[in-house]
Amino acid sequence: EADIYQTPRYLVIGTGKKITLECSQTMGHDKMYWYQQDPGMELHLIHYSYGVNSTEKGDLSSESTVSRIRTEHFPLTLESARPSHTSQYLCASSESVAGSMNTEAFFGQGTRLTVV
Amino acid sequence: DAKTTQPNSMESNEEEPVHLPCNHSTISGTDYIHWYRQLPSQGPEYVIHGLTSNVNNRMASLAIAEDRKSSTLILHRATLRDAAVYYCILYGGSQGNLIFGKGTKLSVKP
Repeated sequence: EADIYQTPRYLVIGTGKKITLECSQTMGHDKMYWYQQDPGMELHLIHYSYGVNSTEKGDLSSESTVSRIRTEHFPLTLESARPSHTSQYLCASSESVAGSMNTEAFFGQGTRLTVV
Repeated sequence: DAKTTQPNSMESNEEEPVHLPCNHSTISGTDYIHWYRQLPSQGPEYVIHGLTSNVNNRMASLAIAEDRKSSTLILHRATLRDAAVYYCILYGGSQGNLIFGKGTKLSVKP
C-alpha cells in the first residue's frame, strides 16, 4: 500500500481564491511529481522535484507553483484560481538513486478541483 | 522521452487472458519499459517493468520483443477489477520522468 497522501480529495472554490493542494509521502522518496488530468484524458506532468529545494516545470505549462522545503512534502499552489484550473491533480513520488533504473512511482488518490 | 503507441481500447471476457500490445520503435538502450494502470476515479498504480528479458509478477507478465521495439502486457485471467486504462511508458531512469500517453482502455465483460 502506497504511503502518499493528498488533501483535500475534493475542493470547490470560487474564482480568484488562493488554494494550496497538499501532498505528503512517508517513504523517504527524493523525487516527487504533480500531474494534471482532465476527465477521460491523459495525465500531463506539470511539476517535478529531485529533492529538497529542487523544483522543475513539466511538459504542460501551468499557472500553479510548487515548493519543496521538506523531503516528504510537495504542495502545489494556485495564487488566483480560475474556472480553467478545474481538473484533477495527482501527486506521485519515486526513489531517485543515481544510476538506478528500478524506480516504481507511487501515486496519491488525487484532488478533484472545481473552480466556480 | 521516446514515444509509445497503444490501441485506444480493448475488450476481454472475464477469466480469459488479455494481451495488451505496445510499440516503442524509438526506444533507447537505457530505457526501461514500465506499465501502469489507472482504475476509475483512482491514481495510477504500477504494474510491472522490464528491460530486455520477460518479467513476471503477481499482477501480470511482460513479454519484450528481442529487438525491444515492442512489448506485451499479459493478464493471465482477466477479472472485472482489471477494467482500467493501461499505460505503457518508457522510463530513462532517475533523471527522467514518467510521461503518460493516452493508454489502452480495457473493458472486461462478465
